[in-house]
Amino acid sequence: DTGVSQNPRHKITKRGQNVTFRCDPISEHNRLYWYRQTLGQGPEFLTYFQNEAQLEKSRLLSDRFSAERPKGSFSTLEIQRTEQGDSAMYLCASSRQGHEQYFGPGTRLTVT
Amino acid sequence: GQNIDQPTEMTATEGAIVQINCTYQTSGFNGLFWYQQHAGEAPTFLSYNVLDGLEEKGRFSSFLSRSKGYSYLLLKELQMKDSASYLCAVREEAGKSTFGDGTTLTVKP
Repeated sequence: DTGVSQNPRHKITKRGQNVTFRCDPISEHNRLYWYRQTLGQGPEFLTYFQNEAQLEKSRLLSDRFSAERPKGSFSTLEIQRTEQGDSAMYLCASSRQGHEQYFGPGTRLTVT
Repeated sequence: GQNIDQPTEMTATEGAIVQINCTYQTSGFNGLFWYQQHAGEAPTFLSYNVLDGLEEKGRFSSFLSRSKGYSYLLLKELQMKDSASYLCAVREEAGKSTFGDGTTLTVKP
C-alpha cells in the first residue's frame, strides 16, 4: 500500500454512460497525476495538477475527459459518453515536487 | 516527439544478473525513473537518475548517460519475485513523465 487510494477499483459501464473516478493522494504531496494503461503498454500520461491547478493535459485526451482537484487534495476524473476504446486501467499517482511518483492501485474500467 | 525504447521481454535464471536497457528521445529531460510493476498491480518506484553515472540501491543499480540518451537497470542475485515488468520513465518537464512500454522479466529456477 503506497498511501494513494483510488475508488472504485473496478467499474463496468455501458457505452454512452458517464463515469467518475476518485483519487486520494498522499496528504503532503502537492502533485497529482492521472494515467491510463492498457495491457502490454506503459502508463500513458493524461493530466497533472500542482495543488488545485491543472498544469498540463495530454493532447490525446478528448474533451470527453475532465479532471478536477478542487481543494488541492483529492481528485476526480470524469469520462462522459464512454466508448469501448476507453476500457483501460486508470492510474493515479502523487508526488512531492521533483520527487518520484507513488501510484494508487488503479481503477479498471470496462465499457460494454 | 517522445520515444522511449525498451526490450519487450527478457528471461534470466535465479541468482544471475540481468541488465535492462532503455533508450530515449524526448523534447526535454529532467530525470529518469525506473519502476517495477507486477501483473495486475500498480507501478512501484525503484530508482532515479538525473546526473550521468551509476546509482546503487541494494540489489538494484541504475545507470544514465544523458549524451547518449541511454539508461540501464541492473538487477543482481535475481530472485523469483523479481519476475515483473520494468518501466523506464523520463520526466520531460517540471511535472510530466513519459513511460516506456516496459520490459517483462521472467526469472526461471
